[in-house]
Amino acid sequence: GNSVTQMEGPVTLSEEAFLTINCTYTATGYPSLFWYVQYPGEGLQLLLKATKADDKGSNKGFEATYRKETTSFHLEKGSVQVSDSAVYFCALRASGGYQKVTFGTGTKLQVIP
Amino acid sequence: NAGVTQTPKFQVLKTGQSMTLQCAQDMNHEYMSWYRQDPGMGLRLIHYSVGAGITDQGEVPNGYNVSRSTTEDFPLRLLSAAPSQTSVYFCASRNIQGAFATNEKLFFGSGTQLSVL
Repeated sequence: GNSVTQMEGPVTLSEEAFLTINCTYTATGYPSLFWYVQYPGEGLQLLLKATKADDKGSNKGFEATYRKETTSFHLEKGSVQVSDSAVYFCALRASGGYQKVTFGTGTKLQVIP
Repeated sequence: NAGVTQTPKFQVLKTGQSMTLQCAQDMNHEYMSWYRQDPGMGLRLIHYSVGAGITDQGEVPNGYNVSRSTTEDFPLRLLSAAPSQTSVYFCASRNIQGAFATNEKLFFGSGTQLSVL
């Protein structure tokens, strides 16, 4: 079945540091890939997405590129802020609009001033 | 436009009790789903539905029932609560017709924190 594997956290960074959170997936065909973010005490919200190979999703300074050859969708940000402290989830939806969405285990990011 | 509304926000049950977690959305979304969130386990899919009268199991369906009689509502029933069902539950919905559109995303409710003693 489909699955998503994320790097384990927590990740602690100083403000303005470079962030990478690794995500790899297993799926047949061409899934759509997502990063969701969960701020403390809230539900998840979409951060960015990519629907086909070599697509780059971006939002709020975060980027991720859909790499079919390595089945990866790593999240990056050049300079993190304290306000980026949250839990980040990688997710996929298999090809087809009726397909369910599968999430990874989440990576907690803490940014210290 | 309320989005996805979950009730209650908090609930404490005794082992063996039953209850229903409510989820309603006002966006006319065909797809609705229930997840549970546990430390170190991420979000695990319990059940999902792609339209009224259609439901399917996710990764962890045991101990939970769902039905979808209307597009708007997707309740989750715990028939006989167990301590292993202590978790935070999230309902999420999306538009299937928009699945190939650039604005595809899941809309999440604010969650229900359930404790089973």
